[in-house]
Amino acid sequence: AQSVTQPDIHITVSEGASLELRCNYSYGATPYLFWYVQSPGQGLQLLLKYFSGDTLVQGIKGFEAEFKRSQSSFNLRKPSVHWSDAAEYFCAGPNAGNMLTFGGGTRLMVKP
Amino acid sequence: KAGVTQTPRYLIKTRGQQVTLSCSPISGHRSVSWYQQTPGQGLQFLFEYFSETQRNKGNFPGRFSGRQFSNSRSEMNVSTLELGDSALYLCASSLYDNPRREKLFFGSGTQLSVL
Repeated sequence: AQSVTQPDIHITVSEGASLELRCNYSYGATPYLFWYVQSPGQGLQLLLKYFSGDTLVQGIKGFEAEFKRSQSSFNLRKPSVHWSDAAEYFCAGPNAGNMLTFGGGTRLMVKP
Repeated sequence: KAGVTQTPRYLIKTRGQQVTLSCSPISGHRSVSWYQQTPGQGLQFLFEYFSETQRNKGNFPGRFSGRQFSNSRSEMNVSTLELGDSALYLCASSLYDNPRREKLFFGSGTQLSVL
């Protein structure tokens, strides 16, 4: 069973607008959760990670994510999107076999 | 410090052939993981190696195999290629032997096309 899901396949936002990318997980214990970004033709780069403690995690490039146990969510946010943020974003966490698994990805497009 | 290096960057093969892909992790990293990325299936875990030992294997047929050398460099091999093996193959390295908890550093991948 898919343990990390990203409900939105594509999202388009205007430059300067705020952004929220959704991620839901299914895992019994407190999971280790990650957000990665992939630019076209490139590998993935870590934006941020959550292990425990403060549920609001700050990452690189102005991104943050909030872990909400009650909602089984780990949504990625950015207050003001730049054109260079256009990319594909992946949420990742452990699956039932305790291996790292990635969500299906959300492709972000930024309108000028 | 050099990043994760994958070679070759692009590869074109025909059905039935075999292929070997190479990954050199960041210096000092002993864990290497491989992923297959396709538009339809997304990122699928292939294998994970640490200190020359395969720690985990994903749900792929036996045609997919890998190994890790004493210098932590890793190779993966796909025999009897099928059209569905066309994908971007990504390698990732991490410092410790628990990639589920560690930051992964990804290479740019090898784009394999099977004709």
